[in-house]
Amino acid sequence: SQKIEQNSEALNIQEGKTATLTCNYTNYSPAYLQWYRQDPGRGPVFLLLIRENEKEKRKERLKVTFDTTLKQSLFHITASQPADSATYLCALDRSGYSTLTFGKGTMLLVSP
Amino acid sequence: NAGVTQTPKFRVLKTGQSMTLLCAQDMNHEYMYWYRQDPGMGLRLIHYSVGEGTTAKGEVPDGYNVSRLKKQNFLLGLESAAPSQTSVYFCASWGGMSSYNEQFFGPGTRLTVL
Repeated sequence: SQKIEQNSEALNIQEGKTATLTCNYTNYSPAYLQWYRQDPGRGPVFLLLIRENEKEKRKERLKVTFDTTLKQSLFHITASQPADSATYLCALDRSGYSTLTFGKGTMLLVSP
Repeated sequence: NAGVTQTPKFRVLKTGQSMTLLCAQDMNHEYMYWYRQDPGMGLRLIHYSVGEGTTAKGEVPDGYNVSRLKKQNFLLGLESAAPSQTSVYFCASWGGMSSYNEQFFGPGTRLTVL
């Protein structure tokens, strides 16, 4: 069956460091992969999308890589800030209609 | 623009009761979705719609029905609520391949079934 795995344990880092979150998937050939941020009690908010023919995508302090051979995406936040503390979700499109399958998310805690 | 709104924000039901959750979007999006989110699980797709008057099943459709009578609204119905349907429900919309591909999510409805 299709599976998406993200680090289940919370990631604790110090302010100013780079946070790296992992998303692994099996039994998929996704056209693209998305990353969302979710704060407690709120809906997910879109951050970045990367297509299967793209190796890397950047947006301000965020960087996403996509390795279709390893079936893995890495999500980096450079110069992290306490305001970056949230749960980060990885999602893949199953159908082409943006019917997303989400990972369980990784909680990031950035301490001052 | 309000984006995606959901009504109600919270609801408590007794087993066997029915209710309808309303999702509205003001972005003229063709595609709309209902997800549920449970502790320790990722968001799971319940039903979705690719346009006014259409609906399709997602990953976990049992016990739910949906309707898309107007383009801007997507309703999720529970005919006979069960404790297993206690969850946070999120609605989302998408503008299609011509857009940036991001989905816009509503704030969620927290439903408890006793």
